[in-house]
Amino acid sequence: EPEVTQTPSHQVTQMGQEVILRCVPISNHLYFYWYRQILGQKVEFLVSFYNNEISEKSEIFDDQFSVERPDGSNFTLKIRSTKLEDSAMYFCASSSDSQETQYFGPGTRLLVL
Amino acid sequence: TQLLEQSPQFLSIQEGENLTVYCNSSSVFSSLQWYRQEPGEGPVLLVTVVTGGEVKKLKRLTFQFGDARKDSSLHITAAQPGDTGLYLCAGVYGANSKLTFGKGITLSVRP
Repeated sequence: EPEVTQTPSHQVTQMGQEVILRCVPISNHLYFYWYRQILGQKVEFLVSFYNNEISEKSEIFDDQFSVERPDGSNFTLKIRSTKLEDSAMYFCASSSDSQETQYFGPGTRLLVL
Repeated sequence: TQLLEQSPQFLSIQEGENLTVYCNSSSVFSSLQWYRQEPGEGPVLLVTVVTGGEVKKLKRLTFQFGDARKDSSLHITAAQPGDTGLYLCAGVYGANSKLTFGKGITLSVRP
């Protein structure tokens, strides 16, 4: 069964460093999403992406964040200058249409020291 | 801002018991999904409901979507220890595609 994959599974970085989290969405899906989950808190929406542009973003998704689909398969989330409070699980999701079910990847655990 | 409430927050029951948990919103959902999440892993889809009054079954799990599409319930029959986990509901409102998640229901089924 097709699934969303994410790399790396864990990432430890120093405050101020740049990180890139990678996702391979399900191959025939057109809508891509990033969510995050701070330890002990609920899953929060960050951004949605369709047709090579951001379709919606939350207040969390400030200028330090960017997303890209560099080729036909990968979808990336970049944090330019990480802060301690960026420590969280980051989940990628994809769907075949904007109102269709979203399927989640296993997540990347980011720890900013 | 839409708020999505799940209840109860925690539930501990004996193997073999039945249980029902709830997901409520003050706004109408376009669609609602139930996920299960294990510690350190991503949410795994259980079901999507779209039509008011819809009932879907997944083995011993029964999902119901309220007629007004503002609430949903998950009923588990004869719970087993393997049902232990975090159950999340997440809804889409209006024409948006983003999911709004609840805090989840932590279920523990004792052998």
